[in-house]
Amino acid sequence: AQKITQTQPGMFVQEKEAVTLDCTYDTSDPSYGLFWYKQPSSGEMIFLIYQGSYDQQNATEGRYSLNFQKARKSANLVISASQLGDSAMYFCAMREEKSNYQLIWGAGTKLIIKP
Amino acid sequence: GAVVSQHPSRVICKSGTSVKIECRSLDFQATTMFWYRQFPKQSLMLMATSNEGSKATYEQGVEKDKFLINHASLTLSTLTVTSAHPEDSSFYICSARDRGSLAKNIQYFGAGTRLSVL
Repeated sequence: AQKITQTQPGMFVQEKEAVTLDCTYDTSDPSYGLFWYKQPSSGEMIFLIYQGSYDQQNATEGRYSLNFQKARKSANLVISASQLGDSAMYFCAMREEKSNYQLIWGAGTKLIIKP
Repeated sequence: GAVVSQHPSRVICKSGTSVKIECRSLDFQATTMFWYRQFPKQSLMLMATSNEGSKATYEQGVEKDKFLINHASLTLSTLTVTSAHPEDSSFYICSARDRGSLAKNIQYFGAGTRLSVL
């Protein structure tokens, strides 16, 4: 079974609109972390935001926020006021406590921002 | 955020040669580094986990004699693709775990190396 599911292979969004990228996860580990990374066409993986399973509040980093719904096992990334430079692949990843710091990756969502 | 430097960014080599890729954490100590391979339009595939001062742990199906990993210091890990063949052509990317990042243990990535074997 997939541990990280990103159901949107691709998305087109108008510039300046908000974007929500979906991510659901599956784990029986009570302690885990959830990550979002951005990969532009250049290939580098850029860390965006982290949410710990015990964090009481949703994580926010500038225009990025993570909508963490623990009961639903979802960790959607919200990008406010999208910009052309936000066009990239976005990957959701999970680290379980038992995993020796390894990340489990989703398949990614290709986001294209239209001017 | 923490910076990870990866070199070279692109390599074109002849079949049978060996290629070394370096991964350095520039402003933090990384006891653990990871090496990934990424095929076009796919997610990252973990190849191995590298711990400073010890042997790397390879994922199932990854040939350790083919992909030699050395993690000699807290800031440097290297991946050597030995006797490269065209099927080794891929995008290789490393990451380093920042244990100091408020216990979040975030992995920061290098820019990747695109290997083309002719």
